[in-house]
Amino acid sequence: DAKTTQPTSMDCAEGRAANLPCNHSTISGNEYVYWYRQIHSQGPQYIIHGLKNNETNEMASLIITEDRKSSTLILPHATLRDTAVYYCIAQTGANNLFFGTGTRLTVIP
Amino acid sequence: DTGVSQDPRHKITKRGQNVTFRCDPISEHNRLYWYRQTLGQGPEFLTYFQNEAQLEKSRLLSDRFSAERPKGSFSTLEIQRTEQGDSAMYLCASRSRGGFEQYFGPGTRLTVT
Repeated sequence: DAKTTQPTSMDCAEGRAANLPCNHSTISGNEYVYWYRQIHSQGPQYIIHGLKNNETNEMASLIITEDRKSSTLILPHATLRDTAVYYCIAQTGANNLFFGTGTRLTVIP
Repeated sequence: DTGVSQDPRHKITKRGQNVTFRCDPISEHNRLYWYRQTLGQGPEFLTYFQNEAQLEKSRLLSDRFSAERPKGSFSTLEIQRTEQGDSAMYLCASRSRGGFEQYFGPGTRLTVT
């Protein structure tokens, strides 16, 4: 599974877009990019995943660069409830997820 | 509520005691996962079941740990002779056949004194 690198922490103003970067320069062709988040004292929550194309769902958008070496998770209008640790995972399959330490996003009122 | 449930939510035990945790996955999810999370770290994979078969175990799962899923529905995770280093949040997740996302339960927080 490819190693991912994320900033340790980020702040975002409430109502603004939160753009969370992830570097996965060693990703292989059959590895997906997954994003999960973990709000304090809860279990992780799936957000979105993608292989090559950009993806959007009701929670977020995932932008993957053409060379697939990096991606950005976009929360279009951050709210205080989006304060959480966000994990970027690059791997084949969807079984034993390797979470790393993630990015702690703080949404500021 | 049809999400993943875990019991108990909190457990305090003395070093050397045995503890058992239960996980009830989302109905008809045939894959079930156990993770452990210590303070400040992301969850770490422990083991994975497909139906009743335990298909993968992490090196983190020492011989004091055992997990079962006897009928392919709920699962139990037992820790024998607990040590202070076992203090952590134990998370369970389930996934449907063909699905990409794992659905996590709220976790069981274990404190070994």
